[in-house]
Amino acid sequence: DTAVSQTPKYLVTQMGNDKSIKCEQNLGHDTMYWYKQDSKKFLKIMFSYNNKELIINETVPNRFSPKSPDKAHLNLHINSLELGDSAVYFCASSQGSSSYNEQFFGPGTRLTVL
Amino acid sequence: DAKTTQPNSMESNEEEPVHLPCNHSTISGTDYIHWYRQLPSQGPEYVIHGLTSNVNNRMASLAIAEDRKSSTLILHRATLRDAAVYYCILRVTGANSKLTFGKGITLSVRP
Repeated sequence: DTAVSQTPKYLVTQMGNDKSIKCEQNLGHDTMYWYKQDSKKFLKIMFSYNNKELIINETVPNRFSPKSPDKAHLNLHINSLELGDSAVYFCASSQGSSSYNEQFFGPGTRLTVL
Repeated sequence: DAKTTQPNSMESNEEEPVHLPCNHSTISGTDYIHWYRQLPSQGPEYVIHGLTSNVNNRMASLAIAEDRKSSTLILHRATLRDAAVYYCILRVTGANSKLTFGKGITLSVRP
């Protein structure tokens, strides 16, 4: 059973389009995250939700809008895609958001903007 | 967040122990030390974490210096599957604590 799943695995699209990436976790966790890993392999947190409430919002363009319909899902919608949005996006979850909680990551979604 | 310093890369032989060092001289008294790894084309995977005492789990051991300014991740018997980028991360104590990934150390395992 996949603990943290993401769809799609690959996403190729044109500049200016709007796209969504979905994430689901079946671990019963209350906290979910989105990370971006760029071409240089740097992995940075974008957002975090705890019990459907936004708790971490890094300096991310307004074109990125996370939505958490329930504790098991955290989707990422991106408007007006730009070339620089090309990256691998990872979803993660944890039980709690404290410094000792381990995070479980999904397999990633590779987004390519042409 | 306090920073960590790791070598860029390390090589090891299969079935031998591996010691991956991490320096964190500006660690504060309540920062947790976390290790994650990322296998090729996969998401990061939790390995181990600790605060002051050495820790063991099924994957690895974490040895923390007495002054907490450095730590070492120990893989007791490296396998080919352990080839990955290993990240040493400090997490500030408290709620809403972030994982801030650095460059990590790339471990290669020779058969």
